[in-house]
Amino acid sequence: AQSVTQLDSHVSVSEGTPVLLRCNYSSSYSPSLFWYVQHPNKGLQLLLKYTSAATLVKGINGFEAEFKKSETSFHLTKPSAHMSDAAEYFCVVSDGGASKLTFGTGTRLQVTL
Amino acid sequence: DTGVSQDPRHKITKRGQNVTFRCDPISEHNRLYWYRQTLGQGPEFLTYFQNEAQLEKSRLLSDRFSAERPKGSFSTLEIQRTEQGDSAMYLCASSLGDRGNSPLHFGNGTRLTVT
Repeated sequence: AQSVTQLDSHVSVSEGTPVLLRCNYSSSYSPSLFWYVQHPNKGLQLLLKYTSAATLVKGINGFEAEFKKSETSFHLTKPSAHMSDAAEYFCVVSDGGASKLTFGTGTRLQVTL
Repeated sequence: DTGVSQDPRHKITKRGQNVTFRCDPISEHNRLYWYRQTLGQGPEFLTYFQNEAQLEKSRLLSDRFSAERPKGSFSTLEIQRTEQGDSAMYLCASSLGDRGNSPLHFGNGTRLTVT
């Protein structure tokens, strides 16, 4: 069985400071991992994905994530937060051959002035 | 590429009524998924199609739920005899390919409120 745990339900940062959203995963196989973002009243948008190539994955809007197998982690980072980054972020795992994605419970990112 | 579209955006219905939602995937995508999202939770998988074949259904999908994708293009999700617990956002997504690492493209969802 596959699962993800997002360690923080809510993260608040000041504009211009770094962002760290934490995610741990559990998977029986070599997983594919994703981060999705959901802005209010908008659909889920793919930020980045890891599929067993480079362990450091760069995504859109300056976000990146590092796959660490030894720690079973896939944390999302951004060097400098922008007000427009305020949204709900979901860490997602797929078992590769599996048909479906398993979502974490989400981390709400708040960005303050 | 016009994205995944869902209709309606919002639906309010009384308990016991039937409702049907429609999803139009990205045109060349062969896979179509339905998810449900309740407040404060991540989306939960309901079912998925590869072309017109429904290949997997979650245990969340009770007998009151049925999904179809008759020609391998658009899909419908019907809920019969709605209950208050069915209130949620219903999300549709599509992808291209036959491997689980193909990213899903989501629509904006249909928000169902059962009164």
